[in-house]
Amino acid sequence: DQQVKQNSPSLSVQEGRISILNCDYTNSMFDYFLWYKKYPAEGPTFLISISSIKDKNEDGRFTVFLNKSAKHLSLHIVPSQPGDSAVYFCAASDLGNTPLVFGKGTRLSVIA
Amino acid sequence: EPEVTQTPSHQVTQMGQEVILRCVPISNHLYFYWYRQILGQKVEFLVSFYNNEISEKSEIFDDQFSVERPDGSNFTLKIRSTKLEDSAMYFCASAAESNTEAFFGQGTRLTVV
Repeated sequence: DQQVKQNSPSLSVQEGRISILNCDYTNSMFDYFLWYKKYPAEGPTFLISISSIKDKNEDGRFTVFLNKSAKHLSLHIVPSQPGDSAVYFCAASDLGNTPLVFGKGTRLSVIA
Repeated sequence: EPEVTQTPSHQVTQMGQEVILRCVPISNHLYFYWYRQILGQKVEFLVSFYNNEISEKSEIFDDQFSVERPDGSNFTLKIRSTKLEDSAMYFCASAAESNTEAFFGQGTRLTVV
């Protein structure tokens, strides 16, 4: 039962262009969403989050958009840099009442 | 910058042996978690711990698993009798509050042979 789905296992983007990573969820109780970045042999690193009271949160080159009616969120990285190449995990929880539920991840490759 | 540290980075053990994975969460955090990631699969929740007791656990966290916070700084995961399918990266995480982001350690790669 995949409550958090990342349907694209991989994505390649040219340096300087926009990277868009998508995530869908099925549990309507989820109201807190996070993106983590993971390099090989390292733990997930928190990137950005959004609560369900907002539809957009921005932090530098990273913007997360939330569409509650579609149960969809996306992470935009612009401009993309080679150092952004990593696996990106979408995660969700129910206001801390449930532990984070992770998607399977999307491997982003930014090509110079 | 405060970080979650895990030791060892890699543990090889024989099937049936007990292993203890150690974690030092960020010092002012109150919520602690263990997750694991089997190679090629997604990050899976194992257990959460708050106020010196387990607050939630998944189906994976059966009687072979236990957690402890023995001294107020360490947070350990014990697997009593390891199985081949326990081979995975185990991640410890901590959070200041239940509804804030969790910070993850670098992980311990457990290999059961």
